[in-house]
Amino acid sequence: QVQLQESGPGLVKPSQTLSLTCTVSGGSISSGSFYWSWIRQPAGKGLEWVGHIYTSGRTTYSPSLKSRVLISLDTSKNQFSLNLNSLTAADTAVYYCARVTIGVASFDDWGQGTPVTVSS
Amino acid sequence: QSALTQPASVSGSPGQSITISCTGTSSDVGGFNYVSWYQQHPGKAPKVMIFAVGKRPSGVSNRFSGSKSGNTASLTISGLQAEDEADYYCSSYTSSSTWVFGGGTKLTVL
Repeated sequence: QVQLQESGPGLVKPSQTLSLTCTVSGGSISSGSFYWSWIRQPAGKGLEWVGHIYTSGRTTYSPSLKSRVLISLDTSKNQFSLNLNSLTAADTAVYYCARVTIGVASFDDWGQGTPVTVSS
Repeated sequence: QSALTQPASVSGSPGQSITISCTGTSSDVGGFNYVSWYQQHPGKAPKVMIFAVGKRPSGVSNRFSGSKSGNTASLTISGLQAEDEADYYCSSYTSSSTWVFGGGTKLTVL
């Protein structure tokens, strides 16, 4: 059973860059069967898809965040990461990493989520 | 891309059935059989309940079912139980090779 675990700072200042890492265990991030995704959820609000990366390094991002997002892979550590720059209070949310099974297109496995607050 | 449209809330009594709708466009829900549904209890990560419109992952109760007609997908929960009280989200793959979620529906079991 694959497990995903997010890690990163819980508090970031406005205009700075958020960096989060998702560590995958029980499965290889190099598998060609999955997309590795980031999703966020502001408190009391709905889910928002941020973007994903494939084992080849190919990425796809939400149109609304595309100019500020970078997702990368570290196969040696079985991790993938999210960088989000030019932060504002609107980026305050719980950030989840998740695995999408290609051909099924559902988010089958999720991390527990990590809360991020953007505040000075 | 705009969020898929779900009712903000639905409710039902134990044993009853409820249906949650999820309306999109021909560029997402209507264009692909890649609609999935997620259950989220407070403070927890979402859990997939339905994928590919109407398929259930192993371990999910057969009280949960999904369907689609045109640009609208639906999740039906039969034989409501207290443990079903949660937020439910739909999601769809899109023609831009991205994903979009619904705004979420709060299910209350009376």
